[in-house]
Amino acid sequence: AQSVTQLDSQVPVFEEAPVELRCNYSSSVSVYLFWYVQYPNQGLQLLLKYLSGSTLVKSINGFEAEFNKSQTSFHLRKPSVHISDTAEYFCAVSEKAGYSTLTFGKGTMLLVSP
Amino acid sequence: DGGITQSPKYLFRKEGQNVTLSCEQNLNHDAMYWYRQDPGQGLRLIYYSQIVNDFQKGDIAEGYSVSREKKESFPLTVTSAQKNPTAFYLCASSTGTNTEAFFGQGTRLTVV
Repeated sequence: AQSVTQLDSQVPVFEEAPVELRCNYSSSVSVYLFWYVQYPNQGLQLLLKYLSGSTLVKSINGFEAEFNKSQTSFHLRKPSVHISDTAEYFCAVSEKAGYSTLTFGKGTMLLVSP
Repeated sequence: DGGITQSPKYLFRKEGQNVTLSCEQNLNHDAMYWYRQDPGQGLRLIYYSQIVNDFQKGDIAEGYSVSREKKESFPLTVTSAQKNPTAFYLCASSTGTNTEAFFGQGTRLTVV
């Protein structure tokens, strides 16, 4: 069985500052990794995903995440945040083989202030 | 537009009553899921279905029931046996169980 740990429940930053949201996972087999974003009272939207290939994956709105197999991490970064990035971010993992549903971390609330 | 529709958006229920949450998708996905979200708890899997007329319990299935009579629909019933039903419920679907999931907008259930 897999598990996900998001080390920070809340990350406050100022607008235009860089940010890193941390995610570590545990699994005995190869995994797929995902970051989702949730705005208040809405569903989750896929931000980016790692399936295979290049370990650095990027989203269209400036976020990127790097898969680090040795450290079992998939941290999310953005070099300069905007007020509109204020939301909750969830890291998720699934195992590549067989039937494996997504397992989510508990989420990190990103609070961007002017 | 393709997507997942959950209804209603807000639902109030009296203690002791069963209530059914609707989830419909037109993405032609085989797999569908129900998650429960509580503040600080992340998403916890209630039930999932990989194919019509088949479904499996997730981590917190007690007090809930589901059916999958059509590929497009996966309704969730919150029964009176669920001790703490007030939560935000999210339905999702995917092409396979280990791939990315697409989510509906959620139903917020409040027991009064």
